[in-house]
Amino acid sequence: AQSVTQLDSHVSVSEGTPVLLRCNYSSSYSPSLFWYVQHPNKGLQLLLKYTSAATLVKGINGFEAEFKKSETSFHLTKPSAHMSDAAEYFCVVTHPPFGNEKLTFGTGTRLTIIP
Amino acid sequence: DTGVSQNPRHKITKRGQNVTFRCDPISEHNRLYWYRQTLGQGPEFLTYFQNEAQLEKSRLLSDRFSAERPKGSFSTLEIQRTEQGDSAMYLCASSSPGQGIYEQYFGPGTRLTVT
Repeated sequence: AQSVTQLDSHVSVSEGTPVLLRCNYSSSYSPSLFWYVQHPNKGLQLLLKYTSAATLVKGINGFEAEFKKSETSFHLTKPSAHMSDAAEYFCVVTHPPFGNEKLTFGTGTRLTIIP
Repeated sequence: DTGVSQNPRHKITKRGQNVTFRCDPISEHNRLYWYRQTLGQGPEFLTYFQNEAQLEKSRLLSDRFSAERPKGSFSTLEIQRTEQGDSAMYLCASSSPGQGIYEQYFGPGTRLTVT
């Protein structure tokens, strides 16, 4: 079975400081991993995805994530937080051999930006 | 913008009533997914379609739930004899393998409250 664990339910950072949202995955196969963001009253938006190409993945809005197989981690980072980054972030896993099927979401990390 | 749309956005119903939600995917997408998100949790997979065919159903989808996609375009999710535990956000997503495999585009969701 596949799963992801988001290690922090809530992260607060000051505007202009780095962001780190942590995610560990569990998978019997080579996974595909994603980060989605959910702003209040808006749909989930894909930030970035890892699908067995480069281990360092760049996404939208300055976010990036690094796939580390030895640590089974896929942490999300951003060098400098902006007020507009305040949202809920979900780490997600799926399995390519089985096609474009269900996504398995983590429980989410709420990111708060302090002015 | 021709993103995924869902109707209604909010639904309040009394326990025991039936409700139906509609999802209109991005027009060229042949895969359509339903997820359920409860407060403080990540979305959980319910079911998905490829064209008209319903290819997978989660065990979360009890006998009171039924989903259809009769012409391979829009989909409906019906809940019969609603229970308070059905209160959640119901999310729809669509995808097409030719548009970035595994990338699912989400609608804004239908929030169901059962009183």
